Amino acid sequence: RKEVEQDPGPFNVPEGATVAFNCTYSNSASQSFFWYRQDCRKEPKLLMSVYSSGNEDGRFTAQLNRASQYISLLIRDSKLSDSATYLCVVRYNTDKLIFGTGTRLQVFP
Amino acid sequence: GAVVSQHPSWVICKSGTSVKIECRSLDFQATTMFWYRQFPKQSLMLMATSNEGSKATYEQGVEKDKFLINHASLTLSTLTVTSAHPEDSSFYICSARGIRDLSYEQYFGPGTRLTVT
Repeated sequence: RKEVEQDPGPFNVPEGATVAFNCTYSNSASQSFFWYRQDCRKEPKLLMSVYSSGNEDGRFTAQLNRASQYISLLIRDSKLSDSATYLCVVRYNTDKLIFGTGTRLQVFP
Repeated sequence: GAVVSQHPSWVICKSGTSVKIECRSLDFQATTMFWYRQFPKQSLMLMATSNEGSKATYEQGVEKDKFLINHASLTLSTLTVTSAHPEDSSFYICSARGIRDLSYEQYFGPGTRLTVT
């Protein structure tokens, strides 16, 4: 079983739609959780950290359920520029990041 | 924000040759640098963690004699792929963590695309 699992997609949605991605992780000792965005042939960029209480950054909302070892990302009012691969990332101990394979999002006009 | 550069951004080499990739933190000192590899449609996989002035720690399954890592200064780490083979063709990405970064955030370089023919 992979340490971080995501639905690879692709999710094809029209502009303005709301889309949600899910992620599960296997290591209950995971300490920190993140969503990264990766454009084709580019490095990953931090989108947002995920906190137990849930957190929002503009059109993006992240949720964490430690009991179920489940993380989600909700994107509202999708823009064409949101098209990318979204990587679910967990960290345990101070340094090691474990990446999911990513969920590909394609927003169409 | 913190900037990490990599050089070269892409390289094509012949099978059996060695390739060196540089990772630099441009505006901060990095005590720890990380090297990742990403094959097409797969996740980033951590290859090794390097701390300035000490030997790198390799992940299980990564050959330390094939992937030589040197972290000689607080702003530079290098990865040398020795005797490269076509199966080493991949996207190699480094990241760096700052010397005073209590959040442990890693800043990623733009990646190096290696093609071995």
